[in-house]
Amino acid sequence: EVQLVETGGGLIQPGGSLRLSCAASGFTVGSSYMAWVRQAPGKGLQWVSVIYSGGTTYYTDSVKGRFTISRDNSENTLHLQMNSLRAEDTAVYYCARETIGRYDSWGQGTLVTVSS
Amino acid sequence: DIVMTQSPDSLAVSLGERATINCKSSQSVLSSSNNKNYLAWYQQKPGQPPKLLIYWSSTRESGVPDRFSGSGSGTDFTLTISSLQAEDVAVYYCQQHYSSLRTFGQGTKVEIK
Repeated sequence: EVQLVETGGGLIQPGGSLRLSCAASGFTVGSSYMAWVRQAPGKGLQWVSVIYSGGTTYYTDSVKGRFTISRDNSENTLHLQMNSLRAEDTAVYYCARETIGRYDSWGQGTLVTVSS
Repeated sequence: DIVMTQSPDSLAVSLGERATINCKSSQSVLSSSNNKNYLAWYQQKPGQPPKLLIYWSSTRESGVPDRFSGSGSGTDFTLTISSLQAEDVAVYYCQQHYSSLRTFGQGTKVEIK
């Protein structure tokens, strides 16, 4: 059974850094396309970033240069390093497995709150 | 970026009646190489992550009831719930995966009238 579990969220001050993790089971992260999708409170879904099985990465414009997606194949885990956090980064962050472009498995999400 | 625009933002439908949600992309998401539309639909209930319903614009994900159907091509797509059930109350999102920068529609909230 495919399972994704996100950790690492919390309250952080503007300008701070946070690292999210997504532990996967039931499949191999390194052989998959993996993504982060976020949802601000009461708002819709926003695609954030993807890492392809070959290592290529893409980011939405608003996080480019501040966020870094990576994976640890030995731990079968996806990460999102978030730097220079802003209030508008406040959201629930979901990790998802991408299968030919569609997200067929999702974690339960981890809440990131950026506030002083 | 490809902008996805859904309509309406919300709709109320009586139990057993049809619900129709539209999604328009700012550019075609039809691939000329395989003639597939890179368009998916998701359902999200409160407090839950999204759930994949439809991919390739019209292919139902395994386990999704057949009252859910998708149609359309190019830039215009539709998700139809043929006979609304109480458990279908949710927000529905379209998503394109034609571009490396994936994007979602803003969501459509479906309620019971």
